[in-house]
Amino acid sequence: NAGVMQNPRHLVRRRGQEARLRCSPVKGHSHVYWYRQLPEEGLKFMVYLQKENIIDESGMPKERFSAEFPKEGPSILRIQQVVRGDSAAYFCASSPVGNTEAFFGQGTRLTVV
Amino acid sequence: DQQVKQNSPSLSVQEGRISILNCDYTNSMFDYFLWYKKYPAEGPTFLISISSIKDKNEDGRFTVFLNKSAKHLSLHIVPSQPGDSAVYFCAARDEGGTSYGKLTFGQGTILTVHP
Repeated sequence: NAGVMQNPRHLVRRRGQEARLRCSPVKGHSHVYWYRQLPEEGLKFMVYLQKENIIDESGMPKERFSAEFPKEGPSILRIQQVVRGDSAAYFCASSPVGNTEAFFGQGTRLTVV
Repeated sequence: DQQVKQNSPSLSVQEGRISILNCDYTNSMFDYFLWYKKYPAEGPTFLISISSIKDKNEDGRFTVFLNKSAKHLSLHIVPSQPGDSAVYFCAARDEGGTSYGKLTFGQGTILTVHP
């Protein structure tokens, strides 16, 4: 029973490049959440998606960030024109329906140089 | 605006003794609270939760207490073991929210249990 799979585990990007973070939820889970953890801080909610729909993106920065969860394939968090302040750990979590605890992946550590 | 606060960045405890981790919140709309444990370079792992209609929930060595009037919850670990050494996050769900998965996290407390 595979858990939430995130890849890559580590990603290094130069300023101005694009970062793509992938998340494969637990099999059968149709709800995906993305969180960001900045150094020395707790996790901050970014976006909640169901298959092909963004349900809540209240935590997403207004520019450069986007997320999708297509009918087939993993959820993708995309950061365009990365800046040093985007360096963080990005965690994905999934749940089977909207009313259960979500299970977290191991995270992608993005470093912008 | 930090709605969930863990005011102790770290806690050091001797093996076998009790660990008490504290968490305060400000949003009275929170109706469900969770504790997560996190090891370095790993994702958070769910530990225990409590609904706002209860004041205590116990699971083995872990007990969570909720004081709604004080907007305070605590996690007790008895007896503490070296393997419990990790970062512990308190998290809360807004009853007006869309799902349990959208959580507000505290900053975390680093627990170190010495043999």
